[in-house]
Amino acid sequence: DVKVTQSSRYLVKRTGEKVFLECVQDMDHENMFWYRQDPGLGLRLIYFSYDVKMKEKGDIPEGYSVSREKKERFSLILESASTNQTSMYLCASRLQTGGVSYEQYFGPGTRLTVT
Amino acid sequence: GENVEQHPSTLSVQEGDSAVIKCTYSDSASNYFPWYKQELGKRPQLIIDIRSNVGEKKDQRIAVTLNKTAKHFSLHITETQPEDSAVYFCAARIKGGNKLTFGGGTRVLVKP
Repeated sequence: DVKVTQSSRYLVKRTGEKVFLECVQDMDHENMFWYRQDPGLGLRLIYFSYDVKMKEKGDIPEGYSVSREKKERFSLILESASTNQTSMYLCASRLQTGGVSYEQYFGPGTRLTVT
Repeated sequence: GENVEQHPSTLSVQEGDSAVIKCTYSDSASNYFPWYKQELGKRPQLIIDIRSNVGEKKDQRIAVTLNKTAKHFSLHITETQPEDSAVYFCAARIKGGNKLTFGGGTRVLVKP
């Protein structure tokens, strides 16, 4: 059974703070993703990583960066948190092998509030 | 890039009735269309998906239809039950691409 975990369920930070959100998956998946979820906007892709040390911008990368030093861990970094980054953040991972992509599995989410 | 629109944003049905959610996509190169269900306070989970070489797929009470010409696909839930209450997301992925583009979500409420 695939397990994707995120470091915190709830997080409250102040404007200007540097924020780290961690995601870990235990199924040796190549691909990992960070989304933010806002009402009426669905899930919007911030960044994804198709392998260790590989990353690619998603649809809304501004104000975020990522790090993937190990295959199982994908970190989202808010360099200087702002109130408009208050949101639910979801991590996901996916097996990709032989040119075939499989189902994305999501983590439980981190609800971040920036005050 | 791909754009996915989803309607309606909210849907209230009586238990036992059917529910239909529709999505349209913009890029004709999209070939994979999953549907995710997110119960309150939980993570999204894949409930059904369809690829562009198939027009319809069914799994018990849920079915998905795809019209490639019109670039739209729909989720059908029959004999709805209270446990079907959730937010449903459609998504599309371009052939050979890595990312899913999601619709805005539909909040479904099944009234007993």
